[in-house]
Amino acid sequence: EVQLVESGGGLVKPGGSLRLSCAASGFTFSSYSMNWVRQAPGKGLEWVSSISSSSSYIYYADSVKGRFTISRDNAKNSLYLQMNSLRAEDTAVYYCARYPPSAEDVWGKGTTVTVSS
Amino acid sequence: EIVLTQSPGTLSLSPGERATLSCRASQSVSSSYLAWYQQKPGQAPRLLIYGASSRATGIPDRFSGSGSGTDFTLTISRLEPEDFAVYYCQQYGSSRPLTFGGGTKVEIK
Repeated sequence: EVQLVESGGGLVKPGGSLRLSCAASGFTFSSYSMNWVRQAPGKGLEWVSSISSSSSYIYYADSVKGRFTISRDNAKNSLYLQMNSLRAEDTAVYYCARYPPSAEDVWGKGTTVTVSS
Repeated sequence: EIVLTQSPGTLSLSPGERATLSCRASQSVSSSYLAWYQQKPGQAPRLLIYGASSRATGIPDRFSGSGSGTDFTLTISRLEPEDFAVYYCQQYGSSRPLTFGGGTKVEIK
């Protein structure tokens, strides 16, 4: 079964750090670009970051540039998001998703990040 | 940045009716790299349409997508009870950032 499972979310104080992970299974992870997408409570979807299959191309939303770092380990079939200098406005459910959208689309169920003192 | 504007914000319809959702882009979306997602409360988004008009695997044929350039439409030919949800469009062409529209909520009238 094709699957993405996020982990690493939790409650963190403003200015703190978290590292999210996304474990992939059921497909050749190393062949696909990946995205992180977030959704603040009661709000719409916001793209956060993308990474190409070999990590050659990396992109960030302006809202997280300089604070978040996306990475991947193809040997471990895993995607990561290192989040530093967290702010209240980073509170959201974070999803990993395969890119680009295709007939067999894959999203994880999400992990919740809450930034609060 | 390509801004996607979805309309209407809320669509109130009855089961069996036709739903027409609009997504307008601030500039042309390259190669029709436009997707539509359905999201229900507490769930991850589910891809319905990619490439503006291709249905994802397992999506019923009552869902159809059309359009090109800056104007795109998602049509649900006859609403089923499970179709009441929020729908988002997304452009995923070479232009970064990737962007989503603000969403259209389809609610039961």
